[in-house]
Amino acid sequence: AQTVTQSQPEMSVQEAETVTLSCTYDTSENNYYLFWYKQPPSRQMILVIRQEAYKQQNATENRFSVNFQKAAKSFSLKISDSQLGDTAMYFCAFAYNNNDMRFGAGTRLTVKP
Amino acid sequence: DTGVSQNPRHKITKRGQNVTFRCDPISEHNRLYWYRQTLGQGPEFLTYFQNEAQLEKSRLLSDRFSAERPKGSFSTLEIQRTEQGDSAMYLCASSLAAKGPGNTIYFGEGSWLTVV
Repeated sequence: AQTVTQSQPEMSVQEAETVTLSCTYDTSENNYYLFWYKQPPSRQMILVIRQEAYKQQNATENRFSVNFQKAAKSFSLKISDSQLGDTAMYFCAFAYNNNDMRFGAGTRLTVKP
Repeated sequence: DTGVSQNPRHKITKRGQNVTFRCDPISEHNRLYWYRQTLGQGPEFLTYFQNEAQLEKSRLLSDRFSAERPKGSFSTLEIQRTEQGDSAMYLCASSLAAKGPGNTIYFGEGSWLTVV
């Protein structure tokens, strides 16, 4: 069974600083996708970044980048130059088949002014 | 593109009553998903459709839950004889099916259910 673990229930960071959110997963599959979703207080989930397991290069989207360690089954999210609007719940997710995307329990990130 | 739309956004119901939620996916998306999210937890998969066919159901989806997507467009999720444990946010999402698991899933804002 695939599981996703986010070991940091809450984190905070000062505005303009860098923060890293951790995620580990467990799977026996070799080809899969990993995602980070953001859920602001308005509650709509928004895709932040995704990573294909067969790609060694870490995905990057503007201030957001991932550190994907396939052997260690680790998928951390780095947010650079944190902004107040980054305050949200962040969910790590794993997908082998799109009919069953598994989410972690989330990390609540607070960006402090 | 108006995104995934869900209604009602909030529903308070008495235990034992039936409730129905509606989801309108992004228009060209052929896949539609339902998830349940409780406070402090990530979304849990309930079921998904490809066009009008319901292809997968989680064991979380008890007999009191039924989902339909009759014309392959909007979907409804009905909960019969609601229980307090059904209190949660019900998230709908949609995607455009592609080969492999890589297509992006877009979520609606969710429908909050409170059973009193």
